Amino acid sequence: DQQVKQNSPSLSVQEGRISILNCDYTNSMFDYFLWYKKYPAEGPTFLISISSIKDKNEDGRFTVFLNKSAKHLSLHIVPSQPGDSAVYFCAASGRAGGTSYGKLTFGQGTILTVHP
Amino acid sequence: NAGVTQTPKFQVLKTGQSMTLQCAQDMNHNSMYWYRQDPGMGLRLIYYSASEGTTDKGEVPNGYNVSRLNKREFSLRLESAAPSQTSVYFCASSESGWGANEQFFGPGTRLTVL
Repeated sequence: DQQVKQNSPSLSVQEGRISILNCDYTNSMFDYFLWYKKYPAEGPTFLISISSIKDKNEDGRFTVFLNKSAKHLSLHIVPSQPGDSAVYFCAASGRAGGTSYGKLTFGQGTILTVHP
Repeated sequence: NAGVTQTPKFQVLKTGQSMTLQCAQDMNHNSMYWYRQDPGMGLRLIYYSASEGTTDKGEVPNGYNVSRLNKREFSLRLESAAPSQTSVYFCASSESGWGANEQFFGPGTRLTVL
């Protein structure tokens, strides 16, 4: 039972354009959502997060949107740069009382390639 | 500040051999985690330790054991390695397990079981 899904294994965009990475979830007990970025041969690094009480959070070129009714979140990168080429994972954390409390559940990841 | 460190970086085992993966963090975090990453599967939680002295099973605990040695260190043991345990293993830590639960990851251990 995949509670967090990233249905696009890969995405290719041109430098300077917008990258949009998508993530869907099924567990309504999720309270926080995070995006991680991973380069080859390195561990994932935290990028940006959003609480379930918000619908948007922005940090520089990165914006995360949350649509609770659709159980969908997306990460927008504007403008995209070649250094953004990496694997992006979305993850969710649950509220107290749920089985996902105190843990992160990750999606499968999306490989982003930004072409110069 | 080294963050989260893992040893070894690479390991090749034969089926049935045992080994322990070591993890240490210097951020005074309370919670620590072990994940495995397989192609197309994302990161799956093996075991976690919400605080010193406690450990709990994650999504894929079979074939593994853990020890929270102290607040800094959290080890993962494979008692009898199997080819299905070929994977990249990541250790992570966080200040606490609730809220946004931002986790900091080590560089990983690439394990091959022949």
